[in-house]
Amino acid sequence: AQKITQTQPGMFVQEKEAVTLDCTYDTSDPSYGLFWYKQPSSGEMIFLIYQGSYDQQNATEGRYSLNFQKARKSANLVISASQLGDSAMYFCAMREGFSGTYKYIFGTGTRLKVLA
Amino acid sequence: DAGVIQSPRHEVTEMGQEVTLRCKPISGHNSLFWYRQTMMRGLELLIYFNNNVPIDDSGMPEDRFSAKMPNASFSTLKIQPSEPRDSAVYFCASTPDVNQPQHFGDGTRLSIL
Repeated sequence: AQKITQTQPGMFVQEKEAVTLDCTYDTSDPSYGLFWYKQPSSGEMIFLIYQGSYDQQNATEGRYSLNFQKARKSANLVISASQLGDSAMYFCAMREGFSGTYKYIFGTGTRLKVLA
Repeated sequence: DAGVIQSPRHEVTEMGQEVTLRCKPISGHNSLFWYRQTMMRGLELLIYFNNNVPIDDSGMPEDRFSAKMPNASFSTLKIQPSEPRDSAVYFCASTPDVNQPQHFGDGTRLSIL
């Protein structure tokens, strides 16, 4: 079974609109962390946002917010007011495990295209 | 501030040759990660170190791959002998703490002919 599932291989959004990128995860560990990264066509990996499993509030970073629904094991990324520069590949990732035995798993990514 | 520095940026070599990829993590970061990214398999964690000690190398594909971290500021990923299926982008990343994001280098694009 996939530990991180991103069901949308590609998405389009109109400039200035909001978009939600889906991510579901699977873990039995009580303590874990969820990350989102952006990979533009230039290839670098850029950290966007982090959510810890014990965090009470959804994480926000500027135009990025993470819709964390723990019971549903989902950690969707919401990008508000999309910009042309948001066109990129987006990866959801999870850190699970205990001290000394952490595992890091990345999803397969969602390619987002922002339309002018 | 210097980020994670990887070298070389590009490497093209013939199969059978030894390939060494290098990484300098961000100063003060005590965890270092090596990833491989391909179209077919996506982003895979190969190995990670904590305080220079290999913690999980279960992602290393086979004995042809080896990684070392002789000190806190340097790590190498070696492939010997290299094969065409090793062609990929190899990323190094570092983090000061497991609850902090990983900072990625720009990657090494490896092509084995």
